[in-house]
Amino acid sequence: KAGVTQTPRYLIKTRGQQVTLSCSPISGHRSVSWYQQTPGQGLQFLFEYFSETQRNKGNFPGRFSGRQFSNSRSEMNVSTLELGDSALYLCASSVGQGAGGELFFGEGSRLTVL
Amino acid sequence: KNEVEQSPQNLTAQEGEFITINCSYSVGISALHWLQQHPGGGIVSLFMLSSGKKKHGRLIATINIQEKHSSLHITASHPRDSAVYICAGPSNYGGSQGNLIFGKGTKLSVKP
Repeated sequence: KAGVTQTPRYLIKTRGQQVTLSCSPISGHRSVSWYQQTPGQGLQFLFEYFSETQRNKGNFPGRFSGRQFSNSRSEMNVSTLELGDSALYLCASSVGQGAGGELFFGEGSRLTVL
Repeated sequence: KNEVEQSPQNLTAQEGEFITINCSYSVGISALHWLQQHPGGGIVSLFMLSSGKKKHGRLIATINIQEKHSSLHITASHPRDSAVYICAGPSNYGGSQGNLIFGKGTKLSVKP
């Protein structure tokens, strides 16, 4: 059974640009959640999608957005990139909604903003 | 103030030692996750527990919901256990249980 796949693994952008990251969950998993990890703040919850609807959202500005498709694949977008957006972005999939079930993480997308 | 506190932040052990990592939380949660992150970034879910104790190989996790405390134990530690261990629980913020709140992590280094 294939794991959670995130693309791209590494990318470099400049300030002001926008970026789209992709997450393909484990087959049969309907929930995809996104997280940002930085050395200063650690891991922080961005948002969760379940059945194509955003169910929960963390405390991030509106420049961070996402969506989920009918096949449960999810994308997150960051517009008007800032230097502080440099981070490892992780997604996780689970069978059910919310954080009460086992989470399966992807390897992450490492974003560098110059 | 982070609602999930881990201790210690850093831990160095000799191979074979028994290791304990603690996690305390101030939010009311129904379940707690223990995660392992190796250098390079990939995260593996070790345990998700809501009561009592769970065991997987040399790893044991316990939780006391009333005392809002969980521990992760590693028996007969090995250098391959070197990683960052993170606990996380769903926040009640906004009346919605779903946002995970993470501890800062415990960096474990096991020396041969």
